[in-house]
Parts: sequence; structure tokens; C-alpha cells
Amino acid sequence: DAKTTQPPSMDCAEGRAANLPCNHSTISGNEYVYWYRQIHSQGPQYIIHGLKNNETNEMASLIITEDRKSSTLILPHATLRDTAVYYCIVRVADGGSEKLVFGKGTKLTVNP
Amino acid sequence: GAVVSQHPSRVICKSGTSVKIECRSLDFQATTMFWYRQFPKQSLMLMATSNEGSKATYEQGVEKDKFLINHASLTLSTLTVTSAHPEDSSFYICSATGSITHEQYFGPGTRLTVT
Repeated sequence: DAKTTQPPSMDCAEGRAANLPCNHSTISGNEYVYWYRQIHSQGPQYIIHGLKNNETNEMASLIITEDRKSSTLILPHATLRDTAVYYCIVRVADGGSEKLVFGKGTKLTVNP
Repeated sequence: GAVVSQHPSRVICKSGTSVKIECRSLDFQATTMFWYRQFPKQSLMLMATSNEGSKATYEQGVEKDKFLINHASLTLSTLTVTSAHPEDSSFYICSATGSITHEQYFGPGTRLTVT
């Protein structure tokens, strides 16, 4: 089972920041938080990941709370092409294979 | 970098036949490849994990004799759906990780329709 909880859907206006929350209250100390997104009928795309510090790259920022029980993915200036399902995933280490367990994600709709 | 391709992107086959899906890492060596299945309006479900040169590890409930996985080289893994039935119709997605980076990079997916 996925170890994360996300709202099923969110809307955002084009050009505004999209803030996508994720709860992972049972995360272990050595588990990372990963974010992927999936545009309709495509494979998931890696966005960002982090352990405890906030992270930023060219796509997004990841804010992780100090207790690591939740995080927020921020798309600073959402565009219509950011409409997708966003998955927050806690990386599970399983015999070295480090598989990803996908939950239901948040369907983000960016409106013009 | 880190591009993963799948072939074919779309396939239609008759019930009872077998179909092979290829997953390739184009610019890195994939020590581990994963196969997922996604039904309409559902999330990705991991089917199996394969390491190059080893037998695949299947998730609970996935029939290993029906979904044959071969990972014979560091850039290629194949999934063969044997004796396909309409309920096997789904979106099959592979991902790969390399020896240097542990991020998973996903292929574009293969839409299988069994008639």
C-alpha cells in the first residue's frame, strides 16, 4: 500500500503557483519523498525528490516539514501543460530493489 | 539524458495469442527494470522487478507464467504476455534505474488491447 495521502484533485489558474500537498506521517528516517507526474496516456515523469531539506530544480520546489510528516510540491508558475496527475511517493527500500509504490495521486487541472 | 523507450506504443492482438513488449534504456545502463500495469482511471501497479541476468521478482498476485520477463542485457528488458485475454488489456509501462543514479525513469508506455 502507498504510504502517502494526497487530495484527489486540485485546480489552479494559469500563471499562478500550484501548491500540491502530501501527507506521509509514517515515513521512516531514511526514506525519501519523490514526486512524479503523469500526463494523460504517457509514462510518469520524474519531478523532484528530497530527504529533509527543501529542494528546488528547474521544474519545481519541494518543501518538507521539519517532522517530515508532510510535504508540498510547488509549481511556481503553472501552465496548461502542467495539467496532469501528480504522485507523491515515499521510496520503499525492499531488498535493494527500491521499488516505487504509487498511490492515487492528485489530478491537477490548470485553467486558462 | 536518462531516456527509456518502449516498443510498440500500441498493439492489438487476438485472444489466446502472445505479445512481446520491449523496454530499452537508450543512454544509460539499466541494472534494474520495473514493469507496471495501469488500468483506466487507476494508478500504476507494480508487476515485477528485474535485475540484469537474474530472474524477475513478481509482486503478489501477478502470474509469472503468464507475464514472462527477460532482462538479458543492461539496456533491454522484455515483457511477454502469454495467452492474452481481454482482461489483460491495459497500459503497460516500464521504468529503469542505473548503477549510478537510483532515480527511476519511465518509458512512454504500451497500450495493449486484446480482442
